[in-house]
Amino acid sequence: GENVEQHPSTLSVQEGDSAVIKCTYSDSASNYFPWYKQELGKGPQLIIDIRSNVGEKKDQRIAVTLNKTAKHFSLHITETQPEDSAVYFCAGGSYIPTFGRGTSLIVHP
Amino acid sequence: DVKVTQSSRYLVKRTGEKVFLECVQDMDHENMFWYRQDPGLGLRLIYFSYDVKMKEKGDIPEGYSVSREKKERFSLILESASTNQTSMYLCATLLTSTLYEQYFGPGTRLTVT
Repeated sequence: GENVEQHPSTLSVQEGDSAVIKCTYSDSASNYFPWYKQELGKGPQLIIDIRSNVGEKKDQRIAVTLNKTAKHFSLHITETQPEDSAVYFCAGGSYIPTFGRGTSLIVHP
Repeated sequence: DVKVTQSSRYLVKRTGEKVFLECVQDMDHENMFWYRQDPGLGLRLIYFSYDVKMKEKGDIPEGYSVSREKKERFSLILESASTNQTSMYLCATLLTSTLYEQYFGPGTRLTVT
């Protein structure tokens, strides 16, 4: 089955800095790579996703890149704000995704 | 907006008790999932269901069972709760197999003493 590794487990940045979270996957058949944000006391919520036929996708301050050859994908958050503080999960697969272990992002004002 | 609700936010049970966690969705999603979330381990799939009365084991089904008698409701059952089942349990839904976005409920934090 699919195996998704996520790094780092904790990321601390100053407000206004950029944040990058990286994931690798093992199954070359995986074709869908979502990113979820989980705020305290809430369930995860999809913030951006990318499919295997696309190399990059951007939505305002967040972007995701995918390198199929190397089997890795990354989440980029620019101009971070305190409300970006949350746990972020990457996932890979297709119909049934496999989740990474999560990254706790802390944005200091 | 899709709404996924879970019966309890917090639950405390004793070892050996039978525990029911319920999840209800208000959209017509075929697929429903139960995950367990533990610090440092991410989300691990316990069971999922792609139709009424249909179920499939996920990665960690041991000690759990599920029931889906109606499309909108998916129940997770701990037949005999143990302390190592203390965790956050998340329910999720997915519209169709071609649209892969999952919608999560707020979670149930279960403590087994």
